[in-house]
Amino acid sequence: DAGITQSPRHKVTETGTPVTLRCHQTENHRYMYWYRQDPGHGLRLIHYSYGVKDTDKGEVSDGYSVSRSKTEDFLLTLESATSSQTSVYFCAISGDRGPYEQYFGPGTRLTVT
Amino acid sequence: QKEVEQDPGPLSVPEGAIVSLNCTYSNSAFQYFMWYRQYSRKGPELLMYTYSSGNKEDGRFTAQVDKSSKYISLFIRDSQPSDSATYLCAMSSIQGAQKLVFGQGTRLTINP
Repeated sequence: DAGITQSPRHKVTETGTPVTLRCHQTENHRYMYWYRQDPGHGLRLIHYSYGVKDTDKGEVSDGYSVSRSKTEDFLLTLESATSSQTSVYFCAISGDRGPYEQYFGPGTRLTVT
Repeated sequence: QKEVEQDPGPLSVPEGAIVSLNCTYSNSAFQYFMWYRQYSRKGPELLMYTYSSGNKEDGRFTAQVDKSSKYISLFIRDSQPSDSATYLCAMSSIQGAQKLVFGQGTRLTINP
């Protein structure tokens, strides 16, 4: 998985609680991304980062925030989890060859009850 | 209407068959076109990418882009059971290169 780890790999949480997912890379790539994958929707971009402390919104950013204080770590926070945020979350990275060549992590399966 | 449409299948073919997977799109600004393969409970992996129009070949895989029809295809020759996976198309514009837009994926099964 191209030097990308995600933690936790599985999580069950209750509605209304905050949740933080972590993505860690060892490739020193500039760009990092968070996606969610749901049946019938494919992968949808939540947020991405183009450098330390530089982030931008994606297609489905409402209810999510991100932070990147180091090149290797990109955090996704669900401020107050809802059942509609039950999904599989993937982190991806890309480097200077082109942001379109994205490499994905193994995913985090999140269930909000 | 979604920017990228992809038939979710499922698609089931015998081993050795030629497989054709397709996506249509509506945004004429898309210039980068990618195909990803995703095995069950794994992250997607990049198979091929193409810039603008034309064909690209890599072993048993061929990617085609027809920008006039806003239509892209992935062909798999001599399909193998190990090709059984979900295939996702993705695309982006030059200005929004980081913002990939994915199709919903086609689930493919190759039967021995």
